[in-house]
Amino acid sequence: GENVEQHPSTLSVQEGDSAVIKCTYSDSASNYFPWYKQELGKGPQLIIDIRSNVGEKKDQRIAVTLNKTAKHFSLHITETQPEDSAVYFCAASMGSNYQLIWGAGTKLIIKP
Amino acid sequence: NAGVTQTPKFRVLKTGQSMTLLCAQDMNHEYMYWYRQDPGMGLRLIHYSVGEGTTAKGEVPDGYNVSRLKKQNFLLGLESAAPSQTSVYFCASRLPGTTGVEQFFGPGTRLTVL
Repeated sequence: GENVEQHPSTLSVQEGDSAVIKCTYSDSASNYFPWYKQELGKGPQLIIDIRSNVGEKKDQRIAVTLNKTAKHFSLHITETQPEDSAVYFCAASMGSNYQLIWGAGTKLIIKP
Repeated sequence: NAGVTQTPKFRVLKTGQSMTLLCAQDMNHEYMYWYRQDPGMGLRLIHYSVGEGTTAKGEVPDGYNVSRLKKQNFLLGLESAAPSQTSVYFCASRLPGTTGVEQFFGPGTRLTVL
């Protein structure tokens, strides 16, 4: 079955710097790759997603890139702010029911 | 809209006790999911439902049962709780099809089994 690996498990960056979180997936049939942000004490919330027919997608300070050949995708956050501190999860899915397989999460710490 | 709500928020059980977690959504979503979240392991799917009256097993279904008698509610049951079921449980829902794939999550239930 599908397996998603996420790195690093913890990332600490200076406010204003960029942060990059990487994920790899095992099943080449996967076609949908979302990123969720989980703030302390809350459920995850979708922040950006990408489908397999697209190589890059941006939304203001966040972007996701997908390399289908290498089977990896990355989340890029530019000009980090204190409110970006959270746990970020990548996921992958395939098929019509879009059942998600999740990475283990990355705790992002923004240092003032 | 309240979105996805979960009841209770916290619960402590003794080994062997039973309980039911309730998930309710007011977005008229067809699909509903139960996940457990453990440190360093991300979210793992327990059971899911693609419509009223339907349920299916996910990645880690053993020790859990579910029911979807009403479209807006999805219940997760533990018949005989074990310490290995200590976790944070999240419910999520979404629209069917290929466009509304975003999953909307509830705030979670923190369960401790002693």
